[in-house]
Parts: sequence; structure tokens; C-alpha cells
Amino acid sequence: SAVISQKPSRDICQRGTSLTIQCQVDSQVTMMFWYRQQPGQSLTLIATANQGSEATYESGFVIDKFPISRPNLTFSTLTVSNMSPEDSSIYLCSVEVSRGGYGYTFGSGTRLTVV
Amino acid sequence: RKEVEQDPGPFNVPEGATVAFNCTYSNSASQSFFWYRQDCRKEPKLLMSVYSSGNEDGRFTAQLNRASQYISLLIRDSKLSDSATYLCVVNMIINTDKLIFGTGTRLQVFP
Repeated sequence: SAVISQKPSRDICQRGTSLTIQCQVDSQVTMMFWYRQQPGQSLTLIATANQGSEATYESGFVIDKFPISRPNLTFSTLTVSNMSPEDSSIYLCSVEVSRGGYGYTFGSGTRLTVV
Repeated sequence: RKEVEQDPGPFNVPEGATVAFNCTYSNSASQSFFWYRQDCRKEPKLLMSVYSSGNEDGRFTAQLNRASQYISLLIRDSKLSDSATYLCVVNMIINTDKLIFGTGTRLQVFP
């Protein structure tokens, strides 16, 4: 299955600043997914990133707050903009292992703390 | 009603015990189903897919009941290393490739 390298693994940021998280996949994938996992909660999908088109955002998430880039089939970035303490969370990228419901693999996550 | 519901636990069981987790989902159009394992401060990792006919992988057995819209995971002969949070995940593939995660069931296996 695909191997994802995600960085940074953690960061502590000042409120009002922005952080860009990167995910590099060792194979070409059509879709990449960005999730958020708030403390003590499960994962929530932020957006789906397709190469060559605008990302598709889920309800409650907007492009101005979470801009996404997908310049090629192996790489994507998620930016958390104008951060507030409520953005403190773990952010994970994910790709499908293979088509047909064989599961998805995740990056190791970025643990973000906003102070 | 949540789209995917799980008992958060924790389930505290001794080594060697058999433990079962259930999960219910609300959307009958859900197409594929998974159990993921998440260790503390780690990313989720796929434990097994769940098929209509049921499937087994060593000590782990997963079953799907589409009529009742629930999924189960059975762990036999629990090991200390099984201690983790088990996430029930469903995917609707028809219109959108989107995973819906349950909040997870925490398992603690003690000596």
C-alpha cells in the first residue's frame, strides 16, 4: 500500500499565524483527503483534494481558512490560516490503498497547538 | 443521530478474554466498511475490511449485517498489545468517496 510522509509532525504556533502541512505519497494517487481529529474525538473530513481541480470542502470548512494545494499526483498541502486556539488539533492526510473498498492509509499526522 | 455510532467504552478485559464491539450506521447506502485501530497519539491503521459474508483474520472476526445496519468486531484471546481505540468506518462510494468515522471504542487489556 501507499506510504505517506507527512510533516511537520507537530508545531506550536501563535494565534493569527498560518501553518502549512505537507503530505508526500510514494505513488501516484487520484484523490487525497485531509482530516482533522480534535482532542478526544474521531476524525472529521475537511476536504478532498484532486489534482488539477479545486478541492472539495465538507460542510463547516471553507477554502479561505483551509486552502489546499495539489500540484501533482503525489503531493498536497493543507494550510491552516489565521489560527486560533480552537484550531488546535491533529491534522491527517489520507489516500486510498486501492480502488474497491480496500481501505485507506494515513499520514502520521501533524499535532498542532495554537497559543 | 450520528452517522456512525459506537460505544466509547472503555472495555477493560483480562488477557485471553474474548471481546466484541458493535457499531451502527445510519445510511443504508453505505457501500464499504472497515475497522481501524488507533494507538494513542498515532494515526489510524487499517485493521480489516468488513464484507457481507463476514471475514476472519487470525484472532479477529468482522461481520456486517446490512439489514440491521450494524458491524461487529470480535477479538479472541486478547493480548496486551490489542489495547487501543478501535474505529468503525463506513464509506459511501456511489456519490462521493468519503469515510465516516465512529468516535471509537477504547479497549484496555490487562495482565
